[in-house]
Amino acid sequence: DAGVTQSPTHLIKTRGQQVTLRCSPKSGHDTVSWYQQALGQGPQFIFQYYEEEERQRGNFPDRFSGHQFPNYSSELNVNALLLGDSALYLCASSGQYRGLAITDTQYFGPGTRLTVL
Amino acid sequence: GENVEQHPSTLSVQEGDSAVIKCTYSDSASNYFPWYKQELGKRPQLIIDIRSNVGEKKDQRIAVTLNKTAKHFSLHITETQPEDSAVYFCAASRDYKLSFGAGTTVTVRA
Repeated sequence: DAGVTQSPTHLIKTRGQQVTLRCSPKSGHDTVSWYQQALGQGPQFIFQYYEEEERQRGNFPDRFSGHQFPNYSSELNVNALLLGDSALYLCASSGQYRGLAITDTQYFGPGTRLTVL
Repeated sequence: GENVEQHPSTLSVQEGDSAVIKCTYSDSASNYFPWYKQELGKRPQLIIDIRSNVGEKKDQRIAVTLNKTAKHFSLHITETQPEDSAVYFCAASRDYKLSFGAGTTVTVRA
């Protein structure tokens, strides 16, 4: 049973650039959530995708956007990077499991460490 | 939005002793409360969770209690071991959106 995977593992960008991060959910899951974890802090909710649409959004600017594909994988895009965007970006998946109704139990991927110089 | 506060921020315990971490939440509509353990450089791992219709849940050395009236929940780790050293996060969920506490760094002294 494959867990949540993310790519790339690490990324270094400069201010003003754009970045795309990728996530594949756990097998059988159809919902993907993205979180930003700054050093020494708890994860902060960015947004959640379900049925290829953004279902919920946290307090992040429009520079942060996403997409979900028919196979439930997802991308996080960040435009016009700022130094403050440096963080660990975590993807979490949830959803139907073994035929049960949608569950809010979320399983995290290993994250992508983004450094903005 | 939901605000989750977590205490203490650091906790040092002697191996074999118990550790307790406490969290409070603000949104009475939150109905799911997971706890995650994050080791350095690794992903948060779900260790236990509790739903709003349950007051207590136990899994081996780990237990979680929930007081809906007071809007607080706690993690209890008994017989701590060196491998319990990590950062622990509590979270509260409403409509499948997780709001996290700031984390507790637990150090188990041998």
